[in-house]
Amino acid sequence: GEDVEQSLFLSVREGDSSVINCTYTDSSSTYLYWYKQEPGAGLQLLTYIFSNMDMKQDQRLTVLLNKKDKHLSLRIADTQTGDSAIYFCAEVGGMDSSYKLIFGSGTRLLVRP
Amino acid sequence: DSGVTQTPKHLITATGQRVTLRCSPRSGDLSVYWYQQSLDQGLQFLIQYYNGEERAKGNILERFSAQQFPDLHSELNLSSLELGDSALYFCASSVEGGGYGYTFGSGTRLTVV
Repeated sequence: GEDVEQSLFLSVREGDSSVINCTYTDSSSTYLYWYKQEPGAGLQLLTYIFSNMDMKQDQRLTVLLNKKDKHLSLRIADTQTGDSAIYFCAEVGGMDSSYKLIFGSGTRLLVRP
Repeated sequence: DSGVTQTPKHLITATGQRVTLRCSPRSGDLSVYWYQQSLDQGLQFLIQYYNGEERAKGNILERFSAQQFPDLHSELNLSSLELGDSALYFCASSVEGGGYGYTFGSGTRLTVV
């Protein structure tokens, strides 16, 4: 089946690195995504990684993918108070050829000044 | 502006009523996905349309229905509303196969009183 799991909460100090973890179940997923949702706002695509990659870096963001363990992580370097938000991991559930996104429950990141 | 337009942004209605939520996809995208985000359920996939045809169904109640019109905009109809239907409803659009091209609208916040 398709399932994505994330820890619910993470608190870090401003300037530290944040690491948000995610596990997924669909080994056929071709893309995996990280979305950010600020309070009262929609979903903003932060970054994505193709399944044949191990790592992707985009400015302060680093995505690591361990296909064997079906584990995805998002590292935010030099975390700022503006990074406080809910972060969703998502995989493409394509078993029914719909390519719908399956989301984790979201990790609430709190950045303390 | 993400390119995906959802209207209305907010909707307050009474139990038992019927509402219609509207979504205009990003130019060129043929797929439209509807998601429900409630406090206790996270982001749940409801239904997907591709070029006017239903492609996949998720956890969509029988009281809910959707369609995609020839101009590719989509409507989600919610009827016999209950208090538990209060949620944020998101629409997303993508090209065929998704890839990195999922774009979300800003959502419609439905409050049933």
